[in-house]
Amino acid sequence: KQEVTQIPAALSVPEGENLVLNCSFTDSAIYNLQWFRQDPGKGLTSLLLIQSSQREQTSGRLNASLDKSSGRSTLYIAASQPGDSATYLCARLLTGANNLFFGTGTRLTVIP
Amino acid sequence: GAGVSQTPSNKVTEKGKYVELRCDPISGHTALYWYRQSLGQGPEFLIYFQGTGAADDSGLPNDRFFAVRPEGSVSTLKIQRTERGDSAVYLCASSSSGGATDTQYFGPGTRLTVL
Repeated sequence: KQEVTQIPAALSVPEGENLVLNCSFTDSAIYNLQWFRQDPGKGLTSLLLIQSSQREQTSGRLNASLDKSSGRSTLYIAASQPGDSATYLCARLLTGANNLFFGTGTRLTVIP
Repeated sequence: GAGVSQTPSNKVTEKGKYVELRCDPISGHTALYWYRQSLGQGPEFLIYFQGTGAADDSGLPNDRFFAVRPEGSVSTLKIQRTERGDSAVYLCASSSSGGATDTQYFGPGTRLTVL
């Protein structure tokens, strides 16, 4: 069964802390792994996309890694800010597929 | 337009009614996707269009759901004989060509509530 799991479901951290969000998937035939941010009542914003041949991608304070052999990806957020509060979703694209398969998300709250 | 837009933003209907949800993709994007997001869950794929044709409709839950994209731009998701279980946020996304490396840009969604 194809599954994408995100743990924890919710996370609260004080402002300035570095944090890691986890994503695990059962199907190793992924083409890419993507991280999205979703704010309440809004659509998804793409943060980072890691191709299966890559191990990590960085954008500003965000760094995403991918380990296909273990079926895991992490999103590292440095020096968290209250504006980072949102739900973070990972999604995988299988080789030969067109649609994204999403995890259930981690709801992050950064406390000022 | 600047981004993907969806109308209406909210739709409340009664069980058994017919509804239409509209998606305006980013201008020039040939690929369009519909997803459904239930409370506390991640989005689930419904259907993918490449141009005017439905290239993959494997995510449509049953024959009450249908989507069209007659001119290769705007798409309409149609739900017949709505049921309470259809209540969810319906998200639309578009990408430039549907390639695996293309970023999918999402709209704000339509929140459907079936009473």
